[in-house]
Amino acid sequence: AQSVTQLGSHVSVSEGALVLLRCNYSSSVPPYLFWYVQYPNQGLQLLLKYTSAATLVKGINGFEAEFKKSETSFHLTKPSAHMSDAAEYFCAVSEQGTGNQFYFGTGTSLTVIP
Amino acid sequence: NAGVTQTPKFRVLKTGQSMTLLCAQDMNHEYMYWYRQDPGMGLRLIHYSVGEGTTAKGEVPDGYNVSRLKKQNFLLGLESAAPSQTSVYFCASRSGTGGFQETQYFGPGTRLLVL
Repeated sequence: AQSVTQLGSHVSVSEGALVLLRCNYSSSVPPYLFWYVQYPNQGLQLLLKYTSAATLVKGINGFEAEFKKSETSFHLTKPSAHMSDAAEYFCAVSEQGTGNQFYFGTGTSLTVIP
Repeated sequence: NAGVTQTPKFRVLKTGQSMTLLCAQDMNHEYMYWYRQDPGMGLRLIHYSVGEGTTAKGEVPDGYNVSRLKKQNFLLGLESAAPSQTSVYFCASRSGTGGFQETQYFGPGTRLLVL
């Protein structure tokens, strides 16, 4: 069965510092991977997704993620954190042969310190 | 174009009461999903539907029922609410034409408190 692990339920960075949110997956077949962001009291919005076209994926708001098959990872990064980046971030995997489901990680709450 | 909407936004129930959560989408999507979000557990799939008139169980279906009588609507029912069903419920949809790489679009959520 596939699963998604997000290391670090809470991450704090200073404004202007690098943001790194970790996501590892387990899958026996090439997966499709997604990062979603959830602002307080809102639904989830897509940040970016990996669909095998390119290993480095660029998303909205300056975020990007790199798919590394050898490490089964899909970490999310942003060079310079902004106060508006404070939110909950979820990694998710969608895999052929598993029905029609997404599997979400437990989420990482990002705090940006001014 | 409203996307995915959910009704109500917030509800308080007493144990044993029943209620129905409504999800509506105006994107003509085939696939619809109900998730619950609990602290430290991410989102877990309750039920989903791959088209009008079809439903299937997800990871945590017990205590919930669903119906998809119209393509644009996906209803989640709680027959006899329990405190363990206190959660935030999210509906999502996707087109269904692009395979597993498709994005799911989420509604704003319904906060349910069961006393």
